[in-house]
Amino acid sequence: DQQVKQNSPSLSVQEGRISILNCDYTNSMFDYFLWYKKYPAEGPTFLISISSIKDKNEDGRFTVFLNKSAKHLSLHIVPSQPGDSAVYFCAASAELTSGTYKYIFGTGTRLKVLA
Amino acid sequence: DSGVTQTPKHLITATGQRVTLRCSPRSGDLSVYWYQQSLDQGLQFLIQYYNGEERAKGNILERFSAQQFPDLHSELNLSSLELGDSALYFCASSVQAGGRNEQFFGPGTRLTVL
Repeated sequence: DQQVKQNSPSLSVQEGRISILNCDYTNSMFDYFLWYKKYPAEGPTFLISISSIKDKNEDGRFTVFLNKSAKHLSLHIVPSQPGDSAVYFCAASAELTSGTYKYIFGTGTRLKVLA
Repeated sequence: DSGVTQTPKHLITATGQRVTLRCSPRSGDLSVYWYQQSLDQGLQFLIQYYNGEERAKGNILERFSAQQFPDLHSELNLSSLELGDSALYFCASSVQAGGRNEQFFGPGTRLTVL
């Protein structure tokens, strides 16, 4: 049961255009969401996050939108740059009991930004 | 460089064997997480430790175990290895235990079981 889904395994975008990466989740317990970027032969690196009490968080070229009713979040990259080419993972977390947590990552979307 | 170190970088072993993967968290981080990434799969969360105590458990097999030592480094032990255990194993660390904390990932250990 994949509780966090990234239904697009890959995405190609022209340099300078907007990249939109999508993520859906099924468990309403999740209350915090993060995006990580991963280059080949490296570990993932944190990109941006959003709490369930917000519907938008922006950091430079990166914006994450959260639609709680649809259990959907998206990462927008504007403008896209060739250096953004990487695999992007969506992650969700929930506090199960005081001090214990649940972490689920999606399967990733490979973004290719074409020069 | 995230500040998280993992050793070894590569490990090749045979089915039925046992291996130990090691992780040193960033200086000051108390929480350590282990993840498995198989081919074409996402990151599967295995287990989390905070200051020596287990805090969260994911899809970790009974053949796998982990611990966090007083100096905060962590080891992931994989036993009775099967071909399907071949994967990239990542360690991550964060300052606190909660899910709202950004995790810093190491470069991973690539395990190949022949």
